[in-house]
Amino acid sequence: QKEVEQNSGPLSVPEGAIASLNCTYSDRGSQSFFWYRQYSGKSPELIMFIYSNGDKEDGRFTAQLNKASQYVSLLIRDSQPSDSATYLCAATGAGSYQLTFGKGTKLSVIP
Amino acid sequence: NAGVTQTPKFQVLKTGQSMTLQCAQDMNHNSMYWYRQDPGMGLRLIYYSASEGTTDKGEVPNGYNVSRLNKREFSLRLESAAPSQTSVYFCASSGGTPSEQYFGPGTRLTVT
Repeated sequence: QKEVEQNSGPLSVPEGAIASLNCTYSDRGSQSFFWYRQYSGKSPELIMFIYSNGDKEDGRFTAQLNKASQYVSLLIRDSQPSDSATYLCAATGAGSYQLTFGKGTKLSVIP
Repeated sequence: NAGVTQTPKFQVLKTGQSMTLQCAQDMNHNSMYWYRQDPGMGLRLIYYSASEGTTDKGEVPNGYNVSRLNKREFSLRLESAAPSQTSVYFCASSGGTPSEQYFGPGTRLTVT
């Protein structure tokens, strides 16, 4: 059974701080990793994907992947109240059409 | 460009009734997916269609059927609704890279 684990939170950070969201996965064959943001009552929105070990930066967001440790993280710099949402981590194998999602971490950015 | 659209947005059914959830995408994507999202369970794949003319079961297919009507449209049918199917249903699509999926706004279904 492929599993993606996330701390459910809530994770509370003050405005302007760095929010660090973590995710582990059980399937060593997983090759692609995704972070989705989901506001309450809305659909998931893709914000980052990472395929290779190391860091990938996009604006205030940095995704980090360590395949040896089966660990993925998302850093949000200069956190804003508008970043308050649930963040979903997802993983898939090479060429696979099936994403396995974690249950999400709820982030609250306090003004 | 509307992206992925779903109808209806809300639906209440009685146990045993049937209904079809509609999904359409205008991004010329090959692959389409149906998920359900339940509190504490996360997103779970019901069925997917890798390309027009093909469909495959996901993690939780029991009680559902799907039709890939054409490249744009992928419908989900509940033949005999049960209270356990109360959920939020999301349709998604993906293009050249199978796993970069883009979601529709969802259908909130309640079965009484």
